[in-house]
Amino acid sequence: QQQVKQSPQSLIVQKGGISIINCAYENTAFDYFPWYQQFPGKGPALLIAIRPDVSEKKEGRFTISFNKSAKQFSLHIMDSQPGDSATYFCAALGGSQGNLIFGKGTKLSVKP
Amino acid sequence: EPEVTQTPSHQVTQMGQEVILRCVPISNHLYFYWYRQILGQKVEFLVSFYNNEISEKSEIFDDQFSVERPDGSNFTLKIRSTKLEDSAMYFCASGGTARNTGELFFGEGSRLTVL
Repeated sequence: QQQVKQSPQSLIVQKGGISIINCAYENTAFDYFPWYQQFPGKGPALLIAIRPDVSEKKEGRFTISFNKSAKQFSLHIMDSQPGDSATYFCAALGGSQGNLIFGKGTKLSVKP
Repeated sequence: EPEVTQTPSHQVTQMGQEVILRCVPISNHLYFYWYRQILGQKVEFLVSFYNNEISEKSEIFDDQFSVERPDGSNFTLKIRSTKLEDSAMYFCASGGTARNTGELFFGEGSRLTVL
């Protein structure tokens, strides 16, 4: 019940295309769903996050879509750029003290 | 821009040795965390720390691990007797000023290699 399942494991997209990464969770007590971006050799960096009272959040080229009834959420990267090439992790807030449960990550490669 | 800093960036140690990883969280944050990432795998929660005590820990965080906030700025993770399987990247994170929003800021990590 504490798992967050993420897919796909890897993704190749052409420059200008849309990258879509999906996550699913089981624990309905989760109430905060961030996406983190990680470049090689760096720590995860918060990209965008959503709470379950909204169905969509957009920040620039990044959009989170949230389906509470299906317990699924996804990250859409519009107009994908080579600089977006990184590993993306979805996560869910799993406890009252803010410990995040991470998905296994998606390695995104954007081809020029 | 405030950031979480971690030292050392890389430590190589022999199995059975003690290791201390250090972190300086963002100064006005109240919640502190250690996470672990084995090469190529997901980021795993180890422990959270609030109000000078452990608030939550995972099954990974066994008796070999301890955390401390020895002064007002540093937050340390000690592994008492390292095992080969402790080789990983260890990330410190901090978050929350007045309350815990769930928004965490991660350091760049300390790579631990146990031989």
